[in-house]
Order: sequence, then structure tokens, then C-alpha cells
Amino acid sequence: NAGVTQTPKFQVLKTGQSMTLQCAQDMNHEYMSWYRQDPGMGLRLIHYSVGAGITDQGEVPNGYNVSRSTTEDFPLRLLSAAPSQTSVYFCASSYSKAPNTGELFFGEGSRLTVL
Amino acid sequence: AQTVTQSQPEMSVQEAETVTLSCTYDTSESDYYLFWYKQPPSRQMILVIRQEAYKQQNATENRFSVNFQKAAKSFSLKISDSQLGDAAMYFCAPRFDSWGKLQFGAGTQVVVTP
Repeated sequence: NAGVTQTPKFQVLKTGQSMTLQCAQDMNHEYMSWYRQDPGMGLRLIHYSVGAGITDQGEVPNGYNVSRSTTEDFPLRLLSAAPSQTSVYFCASSYSKAPNTGELFFGEGSRLTVL
Repeated sequence: AQTVTQSQPEMSVQEAETVTLSCTYDTSESDYYLFWYKQPPSRQMILVIRQEAYKQQNATENRFSVNFQKAAKSFSLKISDSQLGDAAMYFCAPRFDSWGKLQFGAGTQVVVTP
């Protein structure tokens, strides 16, 4: 099973460039989300979606954009990259309806460096 | 606001010994899930154990067990018979909503010494 697939795994950007982190899941999960991980701060929620066409902001949404046109895909867009966006990014998904174990399934992470 | 606190940035344990990681949280919800995730150097997030708040019985998974104190809003993880492969960052992550939104503590780095 593929589970949650994130691409790319590594990316280096220059300040001001834009890019899209791709995320796809094949488990028919309603809920999908993006987190960023920074040292000493755990994982912080950027954006999330509870179904196709429905997205909402998390704790740290500024500088990021998302869309959910299909159940499977949830891309994260950096509109104009800044050094403060240097981080490891995780896409995660879960079931939202019974039988709902509540568990989040994670992608392998994407390390982004903004110079 | 709901917060999650892991007060131990790092814990060291010898092989075969036991270590306990602490986690406290703040919420006004009565029904929720609690999770511990492990993140080894590979960066992969691995579910270690889950607990439903409505269950009084503490969850166990092989060498991993929790001490869930709902009134105290405490959710500690005990690793028994520690192994070198247990070395990783451990995150406490409650889920307070009905959709899937997890909140994460800052993490505790577990170091296992031979």
C-alpha cells in the first residue's frame, strides 16, 4: 500500500521563489493536513481539509496556500518563499467517520531550505 | 486555547531499563483521543500507542504502556525493557476534535545507552 505520498523529499529554494509540495493518499481519507516541524516546537498545523472543496487554516497558515479538488490530493503552495519557511513539512491524513480510530497517517516528510 | 506540554526535552535510559515520558495538556473537551508518536532519525512518524479518553483502562502495546489520568489531564508513556531501537524523538499528540486535527507537544528525545 502506498499510504501517504509526499514529493519532493528535498528542495532548495531562493527567497521569493514559489513552489508546490505534493501530497496524495490512497486510503480514501476525508481528512488531510499539512504540518511543519521546527526544532523544539513539535509539529504545527498549517492548513487542513475535511473533504474535497473544503479547507481551513491551522495554527501557522501565513505564506501558504492549499486546495482540495479531489479526495486523494492536497497540495501545499508556497507563494513567495522566505527563509522563515525553512522547515520539514509533513502531510498527514485520517478517517473522519466510523470506524474511526483517530490515528493520523503521515507521509515521509519534505525538507525545504530557503536561501 | 488547548496546549500540550512535554516538560522533558531529553531522557536517557540504559538498555533493558524503564523510562517514563510525561505529557500534560489542557482542554475543556470530555471525549477525545490521545496518541504517542515516535520519530526515529529516518524522520518517519510512527504511531506507538493510542488511548480513548472515555476508556478508564490504560492502553498497552507490548513494551509500551500509558498512564492516563483524565482529571489531571496527564498522559505519560512508559517504555519497559528499553532497546537501542527505541532511541528516537517521542511526541505526545492529543486529538480534541471530531475530524483529525492533532496537537503536538515539543517532543522528548530518548537516548538509549548500552
